[in-house]
Amino acid sequence: QSVLTQPASMSGSPGQAITISCTGTSSDIGDYNYVSWYQQHPGKVPKLILYDVSVRPSGVSNRFSGSKSGNTASLTISGLQAEDEADYYCSSYSSTSTLFVFGTGTEVSV
Amino acid sequence: QVQLVQSGAEMRKPGASVKVSCKASGYSFSDYFIHWVRQAPGQGLEWMGRINPRSGGTNHALKFQGRLTMTRDTSISTAYMELNRLTSDDTAVYYCARDLSSGWDWQFDLWGRGTLMTVSS
Repeated sequence: QSVLTQPASMSGSPGQAITISCTGTSSDIGDYNYVSWYQQHPGKVPKLILYDVSVRPSGVSNRFSGSKSGNTASLTISGLQAEDEADYYCSSYSSTSTLFVFGTGTEVSV
Repeated sequence: QVQLVQSGAEMRKPGASVKVSCKASGYSFSDYFIHWVRQAPGQGLEWMGRINPRSGGTNHALKFQGRLTMTRDTSISTAYMELNRLTSDDTAVYYCARDLSSGWDWQFDLWGRGTLMTVSS
């Protein structure tokens, strides 16, 4: 089963910005805007923080932003805060028989 | 209150089956697809499949074909996920999650709290 590729870990200092990449194919990210990002703190339930590539659900901090270029989606966390320490997963619909894929996940340290 | 409430932790022996429930409340159950996602200890998220509560139609991830059954009971707004021929590799937290919007979305804004399923002899 194919997955979307993310860096395993990233780190930054408080106040800095980091950008997490999520690389797929022309059958998923490259062709559809059903790209979303989830934040998961240890032992907690995943939380939707971006959908449709760049839309923030109500209540999600505007420090989270998203974009897409070709087959790669990106999540930028600006003004890093300690509470941003978590795992982040991208996901996308796929037009292949796979149907849907999550990213490999990125552990963010602040 | 809009929520998905899952059944409690389960323990099974290899070769057995398990059925996990996911009860929806606070919204129209039939209007939103329910997906099942699992997470093995220390691992990432893995999509298993989805069910259309209105029609009962399902889609499965390829690796679960033939082993995964998703059903629903609209009278009690509950979705079910049954996995059979369990192995230790199926030890994971199983989540149900709802599509962000009615229709066709593939983005999940509402999650259950998860059901830990342990497979051990």
